[in-house]
Amino acid sequence: DVKVTQSSRYLVKRTGEKVFLECVQDMDHENMFWYRQDPGLGLRLIYFSYDVKMKEKGDIPEGYSVSREKKERFSLILESASTNQTSMYLCASSQEWNEQFFGPGTRLTVL
Amino acid sequence: QKEVEQDPGPLSVPEGAIVSLNCTYSNSAFQYFMWYRQYSRKGPELLMYTYSSGNKEDGRFTAQVDKSSKYISLFIRDSQPSDSATYLCAISGGSNYKLTFGKGTLLTVNP
Repeated sequence: DVKVTQSSRYLVKRTGEKVFLECVQDMDHENMFWYRQDPGLGLRLIYFSYDVKMKEKGDIPEGYSVSREKKERFSLILESASTNQTSMYLCASSQEWNEQFFGPGTRLTVL
Repeated sequence: QKEVEQDPGPLSVPEGAIVSLNCTYSNSAFQYFMWYRQYSRKGPELLMYTYSSGNKEDGRFTAQVDKSSKYISLFIRDSQPSDSATYLCAISGGSNYKLTFGKGTLLTVNP
């Protein structure tokens, strides 16, 4: 079975802090994705990567950056966390373009 | 018009009921259709996917696609309390790696 793991289930940070969210997949997938999920807004794509060191902006990239130095690892970076970035963050990976496998999510609270 | 519309519910049914979950979409270029299930405090998991009009069955679950009406459905027969979750439709045009998600329908099956 595909396993996508995320570094933390719950995270509390202060406004202005730099925040790193890590995601690791164990199935040698080419594609990796970062989403945020908010009540009433659903899943929104922040960034995705289709290869090592390659990245593309999703629908809401402002305030975020990403890094993919190794195929199995995709990091989401909040350069200066703000309260409106309080959310559930979900990482996903896929080999085929349609079947995305999700991690358990990180619930981030920014105070 | 939003790309994918999904009634958020909530939907509450008695155990054993037949459940119908629906999404509509606006872009006729969409070709691939998926349903994800998300339990509380977990990441979404792929339930079913299809790329053609018609029905696809998997146990108690049936996915139906009507491309002419731009309408997709998920039917759950003999619903169980363990089916209580949020169900998200997801659609792709196949030309890139992005999925467009509906906002999800919260289903509760009461014993």
